[in-house]
Amino acid sequence: EDQVTQSPEALRLQEGESSSLNCSYTVSGLRGLFWYRQDPGKGPEFLFTLYSAGEEKEKERLKATLTKKESFLHITAPKPEDSATYLCAVQGWGNQGGKLIFGQGTELSVKP
Amino acid sequence: NAGVTQTPKFQVLKTGQSMTLQCAQDMNHNSMYWYRQDPGMGLRLIYYSASEGTTDKGEVPNGYNVSRLNKREFSLRLESAAPSQTSVYFCASSEGGGAEGYTFGSGTRLTVV
Repeated sequence: EDQVTQSPEALRLQEGESSSLNCSYTVSGLRGLFWYRQDPGKGPEFLFTLYSAGEEKEKERLKATLTKKESFLHITAPKPEDSATYLCAVQGWGNQGGKLIFGQGTELSVKP
Repeated sequence: NAGVTQTPKFQVLKTGQSMTLQCAQDMNHNSMYWYRQDPGMGLRLIYYSASEGTTDKGEVPNGYNVSRLNKREFSLRLESAAPSQTSVYFCASSEGGGAEGYTFGSGTRLTVV
């Protein structure tokens, strides 16, 4: 059974304090690993898709990396506007219809 | 510029009442999905439609039905609402198999009393 576990559940940082969020996964043949950002009261917003171990993608202060068992979302010198819940999801080749399996998310708070 | 539109945004139902959540996308996507989001449970797939004319059960389909009305619209129906269905419901769409990511709607917050 495909499964995604994110840690920590919540993370509090000072502005400028870099850190990483973890996403551990098990899937029968990884088709893609996805990162989303979700602001309170809104739907998740797509950030990245990673397809194979060793792949990295960047967007502003965010960098996502992928190994065969986990993905990291590195946040460099975060700002208060980076505060949000970050969701990780996987899609396996065995899943019909493009279904994504989501983790529970990491709630990030960045204080000025 | 609309993306995925969900209606209503908020709803309160009494136990046993029925209602339909509406979802429409304007991106010509083939696949559409309904998820529910509960504290500590993450997003869980209720039903999905890989293409127009097809629907399939997800992880938590009990108590729900869906209709893919056309390529744009995918509705979720609660026939007899229960307090356990209190949740935030999200509709999403994607092109093809979803490898390029979903586009989510802004959600419907449903409370069943």
